[in-house]
Amino acid sequence: NAGVTQTPKFQVLKTGQSMTLQCAQDMNHNSMYWYRQDPGMGLRLIYYSASEGTTDKGEVPNGYNVSRLNKREFSLRLESAAPSQTSVYFCASSQRDSQPLHFGNGTRLTVT
Amino acid sequence: EDQVTQSPEALRLQEGESSSLNCSYTVSGLRGLFWYRQDPGKGPEFLFTLYSAGEEKEKERLKATLTKKESFLHITAPKPEDSATYLCAVTETSGSRLTFGEGTQLTVNP
Repeated sequence: NAGVTQTPKFQVLKTGQSMTLQCAQDMNHNSMYWYRQDPGMGLRLIYYSASEGTTDKGEVPNGYNVSRLNKREFSLRLESAAPSQTSVYFCASSQRDSQPLHFGNGTRLTVT
Repeated sequence: EDQVTQSPEALRLQEGESSSLNCSYTVSGLRGLFWYRQDPGKGPEFLFTLYSAGEEKEKERLKATLTKKESFLHITAPKPEDSATYLCAVTETSGSRLTFGEGTQLTVNP
């Protein structure tokens, strides 16, 4: 029972570098989400995909892009990393909007 | 704008000492309130969904209740393995996104 799988688990980037965070779910869920979690800020939605072929901005989308590659996979790209993007990133999925989310175990990103 | 406030920020209990965590929310219309548990280094794990005032859900030592302005997570006779951060989130009738609170960090000492 893999659930939601995120790669990599840890990453260190230098300012200006780019990278893609990968997420895959095996629960046949329609909706997928990217959150970031920072101390004192809680979980904040970056982007979400209500269904395959659609993506929408969340609360903090600046500096990020996403791709819903197929029903299973939803990637998050940082084109030019900044220290403010140091955070723990969580991918989640749900059967549909407003249903309980199932989270991966996160990617811990440090930008120096 | 939706707001979710959890209190206290941190709570230390002795094993067996029952207590409650609070989640106060402000939404134009509540579609659902969710409780999650998060262990260090892990993603949040879903516990309960509550949809209407007066609703209650139970799971082992946990019981979640809902009023029109807040939700409580009651922990009865907690054990050290209940130590975690408990997160509350709401979604409103006009939207589909979850708004999370900052969580309550619970520590249960043996």
